[in-house]
Amino acid sequence: DGGITQSPKYLFRKEGQNVTLSCEQNLNHDAMYWYRQDPGQGLRLIYYSQIVNDFQKGDIAEGYSVSREKKESFPLTVTSAQKNPTAFYLCASSPQRSYNSPLHFGNGTRLTVT
Amino acid sequence: AQTVTQSQPEMSVQEAETVTLSCTYDTSESDYYLFWYKQPPSRQMILVIRQEAYKQQNATENRFSVNFQKAAKSFSLKISDSQLGDAAMYFCAYRSGNSGTYKYIFGTGTRLKVLA
Repeated sequence: DGGITQSPKYLFRKEGQNVTLSCEQNLNHDAMYWYRQDPGQGLRLIYYSQIVNDFQKGDIAEGYSVSREKKESFPLTVTSAQKNPTAFYLCASSPQRSYNSPLHFGNGTRLTVT
Repeated sequence: AQTVTQSQPEMSVQEAETVTLSCTYDTSESDYYLFWYKQPPSRQMILVIRQEAYKQQNATENRFSVNFQKAAKSFSLKISDSQLGDAAMYFCAYRSGNSGTYKYIFGTGTRLKVLA
């Protein structure tokens, strides 16, 4: 079955360390997204990518970096510059040309930095 | 920039009753798409219903329906015959219909409790 795989489900890191969250999709979707979810703040867009080797900053990109070397993969790196990295991170994808297509989500990664 | 507002942080409904979750949005565009997502305790995001702005008819999916008021920029979700499994966070989302725009903008969510 097609879908989006995020790994790992839980991630623990020490403050000052960079950490990379994995996101892989086999839906053949062009666009991929990273959202951060905090209590009471909904989903906030970190980065998104419409095609391979291209990506755009979302509303809260500071302290994060991404790459899109393959259509199927869109990893997110949380750097030590991110002041409050502890959060729930959701990866999503959508077909680029179908405007009414909803986002398809992965199961998320819970990152805890201490 | 577009914004989505969900003014009800939490709602409660008795099992088998009907509840309406509100969502308003701000945009200067005429072509866009609106979505409601459900996030149960598993935290998996599940599409509940979608609405194209150019369609006047309100979307329905079984027990879920929307009241789309384009002039008022309102997109409320009505859940009929509420079930215990409906308990979740509900998020309203907006996507522009403009070519080249791929952002989905979410509200802050409404937590729905279903009382037995």
